[in-house]
Amino acid sequence: AQSVAQPEDQVNVAEGNPLTVKCTYSVSGNPYLFWYVQYPNRGLQFLLKYITGDNLVKGSYGFEAEFNKSQTSFHLKKPSALVSDSALYFCAVRDRGSARQLTFGSGTQLTVLP
Amino acid sequence: DTEVTQTPKHLVMGMTNKKSLKCEQHMGHRAMYWYKQKAKKPPELMFVYSYEKLSINESVPSRFSPECPNSSLLNLHLHALQPEDSALYLCASTQSTSEGTDTQYFGPGTRLTVL
Repeated sequence: AQSVAQPEDQVNVAEGNPLTVKCTYSVSGNPYLFWYVQYPNRGLQFLLKYITGDNLVKGSYGFEAEFNKSQTSFHLKKPSALVSDSALYFCAVRDRGSARQLTFGSGTQLTVLP
Repeated sequence: DTEVTQTPKHLVMGMTNKKSLKCEQHMGHRAMYWYKQKAKKPPELMFVYSYEKLSINESVPSRFSPECPNSSLLNLHLHALQPEDSALYLCASTQSTSEGTDTQYFGPGTRLTVL
């Protein structure tokens, strides 16, 4: 079985401060991990993914994520938040050894305060 | 180009109506997906087409009927829907379903309201 947890429903951060959106996963094998962002009344936009190799993955719009196998985490980070980063963020996982489809986390609403 | 298009953007229908949602991609992807998303919730997988054949149906009620006329086009036919079917319907595509590394690219969605 595969699952994803996003422990925070809501994250608030001041503009210019670093932001972190947390994600932990559970798979029986090795994971493929993804982050998506969703703006109001829009589809999901792909930000970045971890497949293998370097644990620090860089993605779109200045976002990055760090894969930590021992902590089964894949937290999304950005050094300096923008008001325009305010959106709903989803982490997703797929078990490398499984034919299963993507499993999404429950989502984290990020609000960047001016 | 990583664009998936969906029409219409908004749809309001009565419970006795028949309507269709359309999704199109020109990335040469051979897998296409329908998801249903309620407000502030993650997308829920409904159907997966692989090489134009239905490969996954997540126990979706028969009032939703998918169709994949060709590798670029995916339709969702709607009939006798219920108010609880009101949601954002998202289409997505990947290069294939066999490679877990493939990124799913999503369309902007159709906002469906059932009266």
